[in-house]
Amino acid sequence: TQLLEQSPQFLSIQEGENLTVYCNSSSVFSSLQWYRQEPGEGPVLLVTVVTGGEVKKLKRLTFQFGDARKDSSLHITAAQPGDTGLYLCAGLSAGNMLTFGGGTRLMVKP
Amino acid sequence: EPEVTQTPSHQVTQMGQEVILRCVPISNHLYFYWYRQILGQKVEFLVSFYNNEISEKSEIFDDQFSVERPDGSNFTLKIRSTKLEDSAMYFCASRRGLLETQYFGPGTRLLVL
Repeated sequence: TQLLEQSPQFLSIQEGENLTVYCNSSSVFSSLQWYRQEPGEGPVLLVTVVTGGEVKKLKRLTFQFGDARKDSSLHITAAQPGDTGLYLCAGLSAGNMLTFGGGTRLMVKP
Repeated sequence: EPEVTQTPSHQVTQMGQEVILRCVPISNHLYFYWYRQILGQKVEFLVSFYNNEISEKSEIFDDQFSVERPDGSNFTLKIRSTKLEDSAMYFCASRRGLLETQYFGPGTRLLVL
């Protein structure tokens, strides 16, 4: 069974601070995706990383895929209250199924 | 923008009853999925469906569960005899191709009493 461990589970920071969320596994994934989920809604895709070592930027969000394609990180620069939410990583395996991490619940206080 | 839709948004049922959760995937998508999320827990894969048959299923997807694509637009998840522990959000997802983005629906919140 493939597992994805996300850390931290909860993060409460002040507006303007930087933060990093980690997603780690002992398994190799063909790609890794980051989602954001609002209460009562389905996950919404933020980014997909495919190549080991790949870095993608989405405004103040920077996503990195580990060289071995087993881990990933999400870094948010100068966090804003609008960034508050649940961030999920999910790995796509050869079996065409997504394995989700447990999520990081971020709260950014004004 | 095309989106995955799910009905109903909420369903309350008695233990032992059958429920059918409905999904309309994005129209030109070929791969369909069901996931569930028990309150406070991870999103868990249930089943994937392609070319009118199940391609992958998880340990959760036992004989009480079945999926069907009865026509060209709907994709359903049936739980034959619901248990209390089936209470969860159920998400449908679809993608056009294997390397394409998987889009999730808004979910159906199922409560089994």
